[in-house]
Amino acid sequence: ELKVEQNPLFLSMQEGKNYTIYCNYSTTSDRLYWYRQDPGKSLESLFVLLSNGAVKQEGRLMASLDTKARLSTLHITAAVHDLSATYFCAVARTWGGSNYKLTFGKGTLLTVNP
Amino acid sequence: DAGITQSPRHKVTETGTPVTLRCHQTENHRYMYWYRQDPGHGLRLIHYSYGVKDTDKGEVSDGYSVSRSKTEDFLLTLESATSSQTSVYFCAISTETNEKLFFGSGTQLSVL
Repeated sequence: ELKVEQNPLFLSMQEGKNYTIYCNYSTTSDRLYWYRQDPGKSLESLFVLLSNGAVKQEGRLMASLDTKARLSTLHITAAVHDLSATYFCAVARTWGGSNYKLTFGKGTLLTVNP
Repeated sequence: DAGITQSPRHKVTETGTPVTLRCHQTENHRYMYWYRQDPGHGLRLIHYSYGVKDTDKGEVSDGYSVSRSKTEDFLLTLESATSSQTSVYFCAISTETNEKLFFGSGTQLSVL
């Protein structure tokens, strides 16, 4: 059974600071997703990491994947209030040929304070 | 949004009643999913579909059934709703290459 663990589950940051959210998973996978969810809203896709060593950046967020360590990180640089949200990682397993099923972590609630 | 509509957006029902949630897509994607979201659990897969009349169970399928008679519609049915099924339900669709999984706006279901 695939297990996905995120930490921390709660993160309170000051604006301008840097921090990292970690996503560990228990079985082999070559595909990992990061999503953002605002309160009462749906999930918004941030990154899809497709191979070992993959790194993607968008604005103040940067995601990386180490498949050997079964670890992905979401790094936040110089946080701003607009980044306050819940962030989920999801790990994919293949099924039915080319399709994937996603197992989600429990999410990290990020609060950025002035 | 990626052309996904969930209905209803909110529903309150009583224990023991049947409930059907609908997911409609305009993207013609083959793969569709139902997830539930609960505090402290993240999102958990209930059922998924890989084509018309092709469905399978996810990790929390007990008490739920699904049907997909057309590419664009994926229905989730609670045959006899229980309070433990109070949750937010999300439908999702994915492209053939699975580069992205797109989520609907969610249905807030309360079972009293």
